[in-house]
Amino acid sequence: DIQMTQSPSTLSASVGDRVTITCRASHSISSWLAWYQQRPGKAPKVLMYKASTLESGVPSRFSGSESGTEFTLTITSLQPDDFATYYCQQYSSYPWTFGQGTKVELK
Amino acid sequence: EMELLESGGDLVQPGESLRLSCVASGFTFSQYAMSWIRQAPGKGLEWVAAIYGRDQLTSYADSVMGRFTIARDNSKDTLYLQMNSLRDEDTAVYYCVRDFGRVVVASTKWGRGTLVTVSS
Repeated sequence: DIQMTQSPSTLSASVGDRVTITCRASHSISSWLAWYQQRPGKAPKVLMYKASTLESGVPSRFSGSESGTEFTLTITSLQPDDFATYYCQQYSSYPWTFGQGTKVELK
Repeated sequence: EMELLESGGDLVQPGESLRLSCVASGFTFSQYAMSWIRQAPGKGLEWVAAIYGRDQLTSYADSVMGRFTIARDNSKDTLYLQMNSLRDEDTAVYYCVRDFGRVVVASTKWGRGTLVTVSS
């Protein structure tokens, strides 16, 4: 199975901050990686797929990048609506696997 | 507009069975692999099972192998998850999820989820 190691597990930030979340895959997944945002009691919402393709309707302050097996989600200017939990997911092969999650909280 | 609507979640006792359903609309159901993904209370996301669109080959997480069966009826645009020998640790919200586009790169789609509670 492909392991996804996500960091940090918690991130304290202020409105307007630049925020970076990282995910490392244990094996090559090409660019088959997605990022999700989840709020309490809601289904995950896809933000990014194929590592850097922005989902329709998602604000452009979100961006994704990759370098080998390391993937990054960046929020350039954190907004009040962005305080949530974020997950990465590889969909290169089954079993699909997820990172442990990053909770972005107010500093 | 694409939509996935799950149903069938309930409170059951350990050892009992339950069948979840997911009705799809807004896309050509038979062309996509489908998965069930679950989330236990306060925990992360766990992929459970997948089924391909046409040949209907299946794949399962080790945690449910031999107890759960994923199936689909392409004539009804419906995905199923038959869950037998349920355990406390199967308690979770179960999401129905459409695969990403590969040949034509495309995003995924998730349903809103249905809650399964296993408790005596």
